[in-house]
Formats: sequence, structure tokens, C-alpha cells
Amino acid sequence: QPALTQPASVSGSPGQSITISCTGSNSDVGGYDYVAWFQQYPGKAPKLMIYDVTERPSGVSSRFSASKSDNTASLTISGLQAEDEADYYCTSYTTSSTWVFGGGTKLTVL
Amino acid sequence: QVQLVESGGGVVQPGTSRRLSCKASGFTFRTHAMHWVRQAPGKGLEWLAVISYDGEHKYYADAATGRFTISRDNSKNILYLQINSLRLEDTAVYSCAKTMTPAKKTFDLWGQGTLVTVSS
Repeated sequence: QPALTQPASVSGSPGQSITISCTGSNSDVGGYDYVAWFQQYPGKAPKLMIYDVTERPSGVSSRFSASKSDNTASLTISGLQAEDEADYYCTSYTTSSTWVFGGGTKLTVL
Repeated sequence: QVQLVESGGGVVQPGTSRRLSCKASGFTFRTHAMHWVRQAPGKGLEWLAVISYDGEHKYYADAATGRFTISRDNSKNILYLQINSLRLEDTAVYSCAKTMTPAKKTFDLWGQGTLVTVSS
């Protein structure tokens, strides 16, 4: 299965908002409300930030929000902070009962 | 607290086999589907496989079909990944992950992973 498409990198200044896109197909992102976003620091295990397209797990900052339109999901981080600098991955359930990840996006806080 | 601890990694020769383990604790393992994911050095995450709570249903990524086998022992709270005919490109950190709840498909908590290095 081809990976979901994410921008390789995004950047923003503290306090700004950024959005990371995740484009798939009708067989994954567009077909199910099972899109999740993970944050990963170097050498660390990924942390779930968003599940079921828009839901935030307990303990995740409300600065993180997400949405989906057709075959593209999006993660928005508002009020950017230095600690947000990390890699972000989207993932989606697929028609094959499998999951597929995006290629990952490196967020740089300027 | 919920914990997933992988083991079984190491330096292995191409063509050999390896069984990775994931010991779970802190939650009712037997009620949760479990996943394996890998990450090659400096690369992104790659989903490999999922097994249902009872081991009856297994699904694999195309890249994992044929050489990878996911299994579980609910009496021991252990998840396994058997990898056969290891290739250089299988070099990666292999991590297990649990589903959020028995009813949820999404996986949330991951272990720290075990590194498999395929090298001659």
C-alpha cells in the first residue's frame, strides 16, 4: 500500500499556527473516520495526539486540532511552542483492514 | 501503568529468521488487538501487522505478507512477530502497539522498540 502523502517539512514561529496535510484515497482517509496523528521526538516512541479524525486523547493540549475533507486529513497546531518541534505522522485505517502511515512531517519552530 | 516491552532484536545475518516479543502489562491484554510497526534508521513509520484480541484474525501490510507472522499468547500477555528470510532492508526498530480500547481500532501506546540489524 502506498504511503499517505504528507509534506516533508513545515515551519512556523512561536505563537503562530501551522497545518500539516495528509492525503490518501477513498480506500483509506476518505473511506473511514479512523485517521490518527502521532508526534515523535528523536529516539522516542510516538505519542498519539489525535484519533478518529478529530478526537484528542486525555492530556493532549487543546492547541492540537484536526479535521478531514474528502481524502485529505489535516492537523493544526495553534499557538506554536518550541516543544512542538518534532516529527508528525498521520495514519489511516484502510479497506484491507490494515493501516497505512504518511511519510512524516518534520515541524521546525523558528 | 500500561507497559509494552519489546525484545528479541539484535544483529542477524541475511536469510535467517528472528522472533520478536512484546510483553504487555498494566491492561487486559487478552481483550485488545495488537499491532507491530517498524521504523528504519532515519526513516518514517511503517505499519506491519495487526492481530485480533483472540488471535483469530490477522492482517498484514503488503510489505509484510509472506515473511512475517504475527501471533500472541494471551496466557502470557505476549505478542510475537516472526520474521523469516531476513533482508538488509528489514533493519529497523520494531515496536508493538496496543489498541486504545477493545472497541477502538486506533492504536495508542507503543513500546520503545527493539532494534533488528540485518548485516553480513
